[in-house]
Amino acid sequence: KAGVTQTPRYLIKTRGQQVTLSCSPISGHRSVSWYQQTPGQGLQFLFEYFSETQRNKGNFPGRFSGRQFSNSRSEMNVSTLELGDSALYLCASSLGGQGTGEQYFGPGTRLTVT
Amino acid sequence: GNSVTQMEGPVTLSEEAFLTINCTYTATGYPSLFWYVQYPGEGLQLLLKATKADDKGSNKGFEATYRKETTSFHLEKGSVQVSDSAVYFCALSGSQGGSEKLVFGKGTKLTVNP
Repeated sequence: KAGVTQTPRYLIKTRGQQVTLSCSPISGHRSVSWYQQTPGQGLQFLFEYFSETQRNKGNFPGRFSGRQFSNSRSEMNVSTLELGDSALYLCASSLGGQGTGEQYFGPGTRLTVT
Repeated sequence: GNSVTQMEGPVTLSEEAFLTINCTYTATGYPSLFWYVQYPGEGLQLLLKATKADDKGSNKGFEATYRKETTSFHLEKGSVQVSDSAVYFCALSGSQGGSEKLVFGKGTKLTVNP
């Protein structure tokens, strides 16, 4: 089975721009979660989608948004980028519904904001 | 809210040394506990898990026991190898309404020298 894929792997954007990151979960997985990883804050939960519905959301400003499509693929969008948004963005998928916390992570998208 | 505290390191050991990485948690209810590992340039991989008190998770020579009385889930390995060099994250899942959300510790970087 193919693992979780994320595109693009690397991205450089300018402050004020917006960006869209994509995640394709493992086949059959219906839950997709997003995390932001930075050296200072560590791993922080952004949001979780299950069957196209946002099931949970972390403490991030409204500039961070996401969605899930009927094939379980997910995108997250960050508008009006700030320097502090530079991070590794990780997507994780799971079968979903059971709340097991057992997730499979993609390699991440490294976003640099200049 | 739920939180995880783990020794931040970095930890440097010689090959075949004994490893302990401490992890304690604060949570309401009965969370599941996890150790995830991140190798350089990759996403996180589930190393082991425990879903209830006194459970012992084990994988690849690593072990951790869910201790409710001390709210701890320390990671141990009897004899580390160079290939174990990575960042290790302790995490918990509160299983609220079936959500897969994970709360992570800050991570501990392990370097094993030959």
